[in-house]
Amino acid sequence: SQQGEEDPQALSIQEGENATMNCSYKTSINNLQWYRQNSGRGLVHLILIRSNEREKHSGRLRVTLDTSKKSSSLLITASRAADTASYFCATVDNYGQNFVFGPGTRLSVLP
Amino acid sequence: DAGVIQSPRHEVTEMGQEVTLRCKPISGHNSLFWYRQTMMRGLELLIYFNNNVPIDDSGMPEDRFSAKMPNASFSTLKIQPSEPRDSAVYFCASSFSRQGNEQFFGPGTRLTVL
Repeated sequence: SQQGEEDPQALSIQEGENATMNCSYKTSINNLQWYRQNSGRGLVHLILIRSNEREKHSGRLRVTLDTSKKSSSLLITASRAADTASYFCATVDNYGQNFVFGPGTRLSVLP
Repeated sequence: DAGVIQSPRHEVTEMGQEVTLRCKPISGHNSLFWYRQTMMRGLELLIYFNNNVPIDDSGMPEDRFSAKMPNASFSTLKIQPSEPRDSAVYFCASSFSRQGNEQFFGPGTRLTVL
């Protein structure tokens, strides 16, 4: 069964705006990871947040994790056309097993 | 490092033929994963190896699919016989030490079965 579920399925914004994507999951996790996939390419790891962390930053990326709500969000600030891609969350359970990807959010950043 | 290497990048074959996809993980990584991606099903984990040993193959769709990892630097995913519904992009990924760490993906093999 699907563990991570991203929301929205698709998002279209103007360059310079912020983009927020959400991920919900069902069971307890060890960590949650976000990946980006450009069209026709493999996935690229962006950031990993552990279950005992609440927020993490990497450049223009900000990830939050709320284990009580079983949800995470990925914020991309000051978006650029090059950020256009699909973004996936992946959850890892408490045993370090069951690495499960969600269906992804397609982000389009318009110049 | 060249990253995860997959071959071929594109494969077009006819129904019933055998297909073999190849993967070379990043040197030093001891976990390897095979995924399939389609519009309908998204990204599905087919099988993963740890230290060359298959740990979880519950995602392998049926007996027509088999995967091997004869050594730390090479893995194959074989489909025999292939069917049109096997058409997808197949990704190989590797990581250091089990599933919990970040995975590095190859560029994928786009398989079309006519």
